This record gives sequence, structure tokens and C-alpha cells, in this order.
Amino acid sequence: SQQGEEDPQALSIQEGENATMNCSYKTSINNLQWYRQNSGRGLVHLILIRSNEREKHSGRLRVTLDTSKKSSSLLITASRAADTASYFCATDDGGTGANSKLTFGKGITLSVRP
Amino acid sequence: NAGVTQTPKFQVLKTGQSMTLQCAQDMNHEYMSWYRQDPGMGLRLIHYSVGAGITDQGEVPNGYNVSRSTTEDFPLRLLSAAPSQTSVYFCASSYRDRAGGYTFGSGTRLTVV
Repeated sequence: SQQGEEDPQALSIQEGENATMNCSYKTSINNLQWYRQNSGRGLVHLILIRSNEREKHSGRLRVTLDTSKKSSSLLITASRAADTASYFCATDDGGTGANSKLTFGKGITLSVRP
Repeated sequence: NAGVTQTPKFQVLKTGQSMTLQCAQDMNHEYMSWYRQDPGMGLRLIHYSVGAGITDQGEVPNGYNVSRSTTEDFPLRLLSAAPSQTSVYFCASSYRDRAGGYTFGSGTRLTVV
């Protein structure tokens, strides 16, 4: 079963606005990752935040993690039409053993209007 | 170019046929996995491997087999294709601790008729 659940399922904004996407999860994690998928393409890794981190930045991306609420948010500032894509959060249960794995949510569809 | 290579990109199968989806990576990643992506379902893990000779089942393993004889290759075999296996399949790899995130292939779009 899926661990992460993104919210909202779809988001439409104007170019230049900020986009905020949320992810909630159920069990303890080692880290949480966000990915982007352009239509018809594979997923691209955007950013990873570890369970002992609260906030991380990468260019126009800002991700936060609240382990007490089991939630994360991804903020894209000053959005561009090229940011139009699906965004997925993925939770990693950690470790290097045979049972460790990355579990994806169902994704958020972001549309940025020019 | 370094990365994850999946072949074929598109495939149509008849019900009952078998086939192998190929996945190869040249980044010396220990960890490899197969996901299927269906509309409204996100990505679901089929099988994964933490190294050569080691594989394990994910969330939806039925109807699929894998093996990992080398670090580079992780083929996915459909034993007897069913229409329910119509999907887009993605292979992904990473270092064993997955700390740098996954590198995904471009996918195989499979239709079973």
C-alpha cells in the first residue's frame, strides 16, 4: 500500500505565483524525497530531506518535514510554465537491508498558466 | 550517457504471451527496482534488488519474475501476460543507501490485448 499521500491532487496557478504541495505519510521514515515527472517521461529526483532535518532548499525549491505530524511540503517559488508536471513524494524506510524500499504517493498534477 | 536504459519503449502483447523487459544501468548502483504506473494509482513497486543475487518482492509481484545476475542488469519477466498488466513500467536504480535518490529509466509502455 502507498505510504505517502499528496495534497492537493491537482493544482493550477499563474506563472510567477508560488506552488505549495503537501505530502502525508503513516509510518516512520529515514528520509522523504520529491520527484517530478513530465508527461510521458520518467521521474526525476528533485530533493531529499532526512528525518532529522526540518527544512531544505534547492534553487527555487523549498521542502519542509514535520516528523511529529508525519507530513512534508514542497514549495516552488516564482513558478514557470516549464514547472508544469506531476510531482510525487516518496518515503524511504531506511537501512540497506533486503527489506528497505522507497514508496511513492499517487502524485500531484501542477499546471502553470503562462 | 550514464543512466538507466530500458528496452523496449513500447510493446504490444497478446494475452498469454511472455516477454522480458530489459533494464541496464552503468552507474555501479547496487539498488535496482521495478515499478508500474497506472492512472490514479501512482507508482507501485513490483520487485527490487539490493545487489547481485538478491531480489525481493514489492507490493504487486504476482505475474512477474526478476533475477539479478550482474550489478548492471535487472530484467523483468512477464510469465503469461494479462490485460491487467497493461501499464507503464519504470526501472530505477540508486546506491544501496538510496541517499542520493533514484535514477529512473524512461519507461516501457506495455499493452496487453
